[in-house]
Amino acid sequence: DVKVTQSSRYLVKRTGEKVFLECVQDMDHENMFWYRQDPGLGLRLIYFSYDVKMKEKGDIPEGYSVSREKKERFSLILESASTNQTSMYLCASRSGQNDNEQFFGPGTRLTVL
Amino acid sequence: KNEVEQSPQNLTAQEGEFITINCSYSVGISALHWLQQHPGGGIVSLFMLSSGKKKHGRLIATINIQEKHSSLHITASHPRDSAVYICAVPTGNQFYFGTGTSLTVIP
Repeated sequence: DVKVTQSSRYLVKRTGEKVFLECVQDMDHENMFWYRQDPGLGLRLIYFSYDVKMKEKGDIPEGYSVSREKKERFSLILESASTNQTSMYLCASRSGQNDNEQFFGPGTRLTVL
Repeated sequence: KNEVEQSPQNLTAQEGEFITINCSYSVGISALHWLQQHPGGGIVSLFMLSSGKKKHGRLIATINIQEKHSSLHITASHPRDSAVYICAVPTGNQFYFGTGTSLTVIP
């Protein structure tokens, strides 16, 4: 059974703080993704990584950075959190390309005050 | 422009009703995924289909590749079916997602 875990289910931070969201998958998947999910907008891709130390910008990378030092771990970093980054953050992983299924983590609900 | 359009956005049904959720897409694909997200929960995959029809319990998914359209049907709906249903199409490394259909089934 593929398992994707995220470091926190709920997180409250203050404006200007640096925020780390961690994601770990245990199935040796090459591809990992960070999304944010907002009402009426659905899932939007922030960044993805197709290999260790490789990253690609998604649709909304502004205000975020990522790190993938090990294959199983993909971190999302908010350098200086802002209130408009209050959202649900979902990590996912997938093996290979084409039609393979994505496996999602449980999500982190981040509130920036 | 959204590559994936879902309808309806919100749906309320009485227990036992037959439910249909629609998904249209504009990109060329070889498969489409239907996902389910319960309130406060993560997202799980229901179906991946590239042609015809698939059935899992009371859930049925159909796809017409030529018309670029897929439907998810729920027969004999139950309150535990209340969730957000999302269609997703893979393109290379990424997925395009619909905005989701929020389904509430009332006892």
